[in-house]
Amino acid sequence: SQTIHQWPATLVQPVGSPLSLECTVEGTSNPNLYWYRQAAGRGLQLLFYSVGIGQISSEVPQNLSASRPQDRQFILSSKKLLLSDSGFYLCAWRDPVGYTFGSGTRLTVV
Amino acid sequence: TQLLEQSPQFLSIQEGENLTVYCNSSSVFSSLQWYRQEPGEGPVLLVTVVTGGEVKKLKRLTFQFGDARKDSSLHITAAQPGDTGLYLCAGGAGGYQKVTFGTGTKLQVIP
Repeated sequence: SQTIHQWPATLVQPVGSPLSLECTVEGTSNPNLYWYRQAAGRGLQLLFYSVGIGQISSEVPQNLSASRPQDRQFILSSKKLLLSDSGFYLCAWRDPVGYTFGSGTRLTVV
Repeated sequence: TQLLEQSPQFLSIQEGENLTVYCNSSSVFSSLQWYRQEPGEGPVLLVTVVTGGEVKKLKRLTFQFGDARKDSSLHITAAQPGDTGLYLCAGGAGGYQKVTFGTGTKLQVIP
């Protein structure tokens, strides 16, 4: 069965510091991978998606970036965090039926 | 831009009561999914509906896709505390096309 791992679970970072969130998928090859952000327990905002190694599509212009160095690895990064980057970040892979989400990372920028 | 509005935004009910959550859009979707999310966790897929008028049942949960495929409802019978969570609908244009998530309904079932 397919599983998705996301870490860390929680993160507190000062403004201006860098960020790296990692997501890995097991049990599937060439998955479509996604990064979402969720504010205050509401709907999900799509940040990036990737259909293959090195292929990244950005949905929202901002100071975040994403990379896919390996087939089953998806990384969300920032060089300098802003207060507005605080939120709940979710990695997901998708098949035609729907999404399978990771357990999320709660990021607080202070 | 496709929008999915959910109502109500918040719902607090007593255990054993029935409830219905609505998901509405002006856009047509090829498929619609419902997810439940518990605090501090990622959403979990409950069901996917693809045919206008389709009704699916998952134990005490009944999902319906509107005839015009623009709206959906989730009905819970005899709610239990374990049903507490954030319910999200999500509409897609089919296959791997972009999916739009609804605004969410936060449900609290009081024992």
